[in-house]
Amino acid sequence: AQTVTQSQPEMSVQEAETVTLSCTYDTSESDYYLFWYKQPPSRQMILVIRQEAYKQQNATENRFSVNFQKAAKSFSLKISDSQLGDAAMYFCAYRSPYSGGGADGLTFGKGTHLIIQP
Amino acid sequence: GAVVSQHPSRVICKSGTSVKIECRSLDFQATTMFWYRQFPKQSLMLMATSNEGSKATYEQGVEKDKFLINHASLTLSTLTVTSAHPEDSSFYICSARSPGTSVNNTQYFGPGTRLTVL
Repeated sequence: AQTVTQSQPEMSVQEAETVTLSCTYDTSESDYYLFWYKQPPSRQMILVIRQEAYKQQNATENRFSVNFQKAAKSFSLKISDSQLGDAAMYFCAYRSPYSGGGADGLTFGKGTHLIIQP
Repeated sequence: GAVVSQHPSRVICKSGTSVKIECRSLDFQATTMFWYRQFPKQSLMLMATSNEGSKATYEQGVEKDKFLINHASLTLSTLTVTSAHPEDSSFYICSARSPGTSVNNTQYFGPGTRLTVL
């Protein structure tokens, strides 16, 4: 079974600064998908960024980028120019490439609470 | 983007009663939906995968007779918590997989349902 580990329960950053959230995972599969989701106080899960393991290029979405190190099984999220609206819980998630039988459900890490200080 | 709704947003019930939660994909057809459970300040745990027109696939440790899932149409999946007890109190979140191949599609989450069993 796959596991996802987020070792930082809470992170704090000054507004406009850059912060990196860590995520490591364990899997025996060679191909898979990784995601970062944001959960603000409203509890609505919002997709921040996704990465296909077969792609060497790190995914980027505006101020959000990832550092994907496949050999190290590491998938960190960098948030540049942090804004007050970025404050939320951030969850790293893994998805198998297979479908059916629950295989393509998401496995989540425990989350990192990101605080933005004005 | 794809929108997923859940109803009700919160429900309070007496111990021993059954509660039904609906998950709808509003602007796309979802052959597969997922049900997650989230305890306070914890991560999301996959409960089951709901497939349109077939039986749901439950994760290990999830009682299928207690958490009944029905996926009767391409836009609606329901989760019924039968004979609810206080320990079933939790935040239940559904997601729907967008159309396309399983390789490229994305899960979109509903806003969640907070269940409180007295």
